[in-house]
This record gives sequence, C-alpha cells and structure tokens, in this order.
Amino acid sequence: AQSVTQLDSHVSVSEGTPVLLRCNYSSSYSPSLFWYVQHPNKGLQLLLKYTSAATLVKGINGFEAEFKKSETSFHLTKPSAHMSDAAEYFCVGGYGQNFVFGPGTRLSVLP
Amino acid sequence: GAVVSQHPSWVICKSGTSVKIECRSLDFQATTMFWYRQFPKQSLMLMATSNEGSKATYEQGVEKDKFLINHASLTLSTLTVTSAHPEDSSFYICSAESSGGFLDEQFFGPGTRLTVL
Repeated sequence: AQSVTQLDSHVSVSEGTPVLLRCNYSSSYSPSLFWYVQHPNKGLQLLLKYTSAATLVKGINGFEAEFKKSETSFHLTKPSAHMSDAAEYFCVGGYGQNFVFGPGTRLSVLP
Repeated sequence: GAVVSQHPSWVICKSGTSVKIECRSLDFQATTMFWYRQFPKQSLMLMATSNEGSKATYEQGVEKDKFLINHASLTLSTLTVTSAHPEDSSFYICSAESSGGFLDEQFFGPGTRLTVL
C-alpha cells in the first residue's frame, strides 16, 4: 500500500534557526513527491516537487528537500526560519493520478 | 499560470439544504479534477475524482448520492452537498490536473469553508 508518513505532528523553532520537517514514503516504486504549505484557512501552496530528476530540489521561500531512495525519505529543510513560515506543511506522494497526503506537520516559529 | 478558483470561499447553511461549490481552472484545461475534504487540524482526504464528461469516481466511504459531482466542461467541476447536516461542516478543497501540463501535478483551489447549522 502507498503511504506517506510525517514523523512530527508539531515542530517548534526559533526565528533564524534551521527548519527540518521529516517525510517518509512507502511504495514499491519511487513516486513523485511534493511539499505543500497551508496557512490558516487558506488553500495549498506548492513549495517544491521531486520528479526523478535532481535528488536535491530547491523550492520557493528558501526551502529545499532531498530525495533519498535508500531511506525512502524526502525531508524538507530551510536554513533560517522566518515568522511567516509558521503554517501547516504536507508531504504528498503522487502515484499517477493518486495523491497520498501525509498527516501534516505544524510549524511554529518563536520570536 | 495554473490557477484554480473556488466559489464560494465560505458558506453557512441550514441543516437539510443543499449547497453547490464550484471549482474552476482559470488559465488551463483540466480533464481531471479532484475533491478533497479537510477536518480541523487534519490532513486532506480525497473524496472523488472527476473526469470531464464522465461520472465521478468516489473513494470508499463517500456517499455518491450525498456528494454530487458534475464535471461538465474542461474548466468547471461542481460539488453539491445535498441535504447537508452539521457533520458535513468541513473545508472542501478542489484540485485540477492540467490536460497538457506536467504529469502528476495537481493545482489546488483556495478551499471552501462549509458550516451547516
């Protein structure tokens, strides 16, 4: 079965410190992988996507993610958190037309 | 490019009434659109997949007679919640897949907040 796991339901960091949001996928083959951000009462905004090209993917707002097949991981990182990064983050596996959402990680940024 | 809109952005209705939510792809043609619902502090759950000109495919546990989906054109899909009840209150989000665009990418609308009194 296809699944996407986000190990942390909540991550809290101080402004200016690095961000790490973890994501693992389970599949017999490598899916397309996406990270989306959702601010309160808003829709989803695509941060970045992996589609079997470069394993290190750079996205918007300084975020990047590295695809590691051996670890079946696609963790999201940012060198320096900003207050505006506080939101819900979803890791999503794309299996053909089927999108499988992770449970989400809420990122809090402390001043 | 690749903008998806939803209307209305929020709606409040009385129990027993029906509510229609529109999802439009503004600058591209979408042969396939998806409907999700999201409960507070939870992830998105796929409700159904609709293809232009054909019947929608519903996920297990989703009542097709309650959540009517119509995908009459390449730029419009509608979700009608019939005889809405308070437990139908949720955030409904649609997405669209470009017929000529990048594979495996969906473009999401801003969502519709439904509150049933």
